Amino acid sequence: DTGVSQDPRHKITKRGQNVTFRCDPISEHNRLYWYRQTLGQGPEFLTYFQNEAQLEKSRLLSDRFSAERPKGSFSTLEIQRTEQGDSAMYLCASSLDGGAREQYFGPGTRLTVT
Amino acid sequence: GDSVTQMEGPVTLSEEAFLTINCTYTATGYPSLFWYVQYPGEGLQLLLKATKADDKGSNKGFEATYRKETTSFHLEKGSVQVSDSAVYFCALGGSGTYKYIFGTGTRLKVLA
Repeated sequence: DTGVSQDPRHKITKRGQNVTFRCDPISEHNRLYWYRQTLGQGPEFLTYFQNEAQLEKSRLLSDRFSAERPKGSFSTLEIQRTEQGDSAMYLCASSLDGGAREQYFGPGTRLTVT
Repeated sequence: GDSVTQMEGPVTLSEEAFLTINCTYTATGYPSLFWYVQYPGEGLQLLLKATKADDKGSNKGFEATYRKETTSFHLEKGSVQVSDSAVYFCALGGSGTYKYIFGTGTRLKVLA
């Protein structure tokens, strides 16, 4: 078990560009979560998948954000027309099904929008 | 809505001192409670959890007890080490949703 992996670890982009991040969960986990963490704050929930179905989205997830998990394995998070306010650490987590299972987090992708 | 409040840091202690990091929560249901730790340059790691009232979670010398009457889940350790220096996050989950709600984190610095 290699844990949750995320790619890239760092991304610097210019305002207005599109970016895409990838998350590979722990292989037997069917739940996958995305969070955003800004400096000095705790992670904030963005969205959650059960297998390939996106079951919950935060109001933080504006229409510039889209997430997919096409085959119920890896997931992508795309941000279109990036803004400076999108600069943050984007965290992915996964868990088993059933109740409030503990979530295992990846190392995160740090996005800097210039 | 549901929320988590943590004591503000940073907390600076000498090695072998006693640690308490306060965490209180507001929830409409019956959440599970968690403590995560984030070491410098690393991702969040689950430290301990408790799933119902009066449960005590423990790991690596850290403990926290789920107190429903005071809506608290304070983190304690009897003797901290320099290697415990990190940011600690309290979180709740499972209160009608699978997402976690995190506190703002408390930075701990342990001096040799």
